[in-house]
Amino acid sequence: GDSVTQTEGPVTVSESESLIINCTYSATSIAYPNLFWYVRYPGEGLQLLLKVITAGQKGSSRGFEATYNKETTSFHLQKASVQESDSAVYYCALGRLNQGGSAKLIFGEGTKLTVSS
Amino acid sequence: NAGVIQTPRHKVTGKGQEATLWCEPISGHSAVFWYRQTIVQGLEFLTYFRNQAPIDDSGMPKERFSAQMPNQSHSTLKIQSTQPQDSAVYLCASSLDGLGGREQYFGPGTRLTVL
Repeated sequence: GDSVTQTEGPVTVSESESLIINCTYSATSIAYPNLFWYVRYPGEGLQLLLKVITAGQKGSSRGFEATYNKETTSFHLQKASVQESDSAVYYCALGRLNQGGSAKLIFGEGTKLTVSS
Repeated sequence: NAGVIQTPRHKVTGKGQEATLWCEPISGHSAVFWYRQTIVQGLEFLTYFRNQAPIDDSGMPKERFSAQMPNQSHSTLKIQSTQPQDSAVYLCASSLDGLGGREQYFGPGTRLTVL
């Protein structure tokens, strides 16, 4: 089936250190997968961080980057230097691009990140 | 733009009672999605509408759950005879046209507690 697996949390990183949250997907019923990272900051709703709809492309936002790797079926989230304000729960999600199918998102379990000062 | 509005934010029901959750999508968006979040199952898709028509209800429990979108400005999720395992945060999201690859904008959620 279609599924997403991501780094099991919680994850604690010191401020200014680098971060990687792993995400791998299985898209057995989706011909053209597209991938998303959503984030929920404390006290706020779920919001899009970045998305990539074409394999081989990289998305970036707020200093975060993720590259859609079709060969390894991965979409890892990286940041070179985290800040306290990056403390949040991060969700990797899988969708389909083709217009004929469902636009539902399949989410990973979420990774809670705490950045310590 | 007020974003996606969900009401109520919290709802407590007794076992066997009915619960109706409301969602108002962003003005101009033609698709509404419903998801449910629990500690055990995580964030899971329930159903969605595009231009008020049901498109995919593959995540909806077959019994007791129903969803409607009677007009462009709101959608409801109804749970009949609520059970403790229905306790969850129910999230509504809207997107511009309901097509794949589009950003989905999420509401704050309704926390349902079934006693």
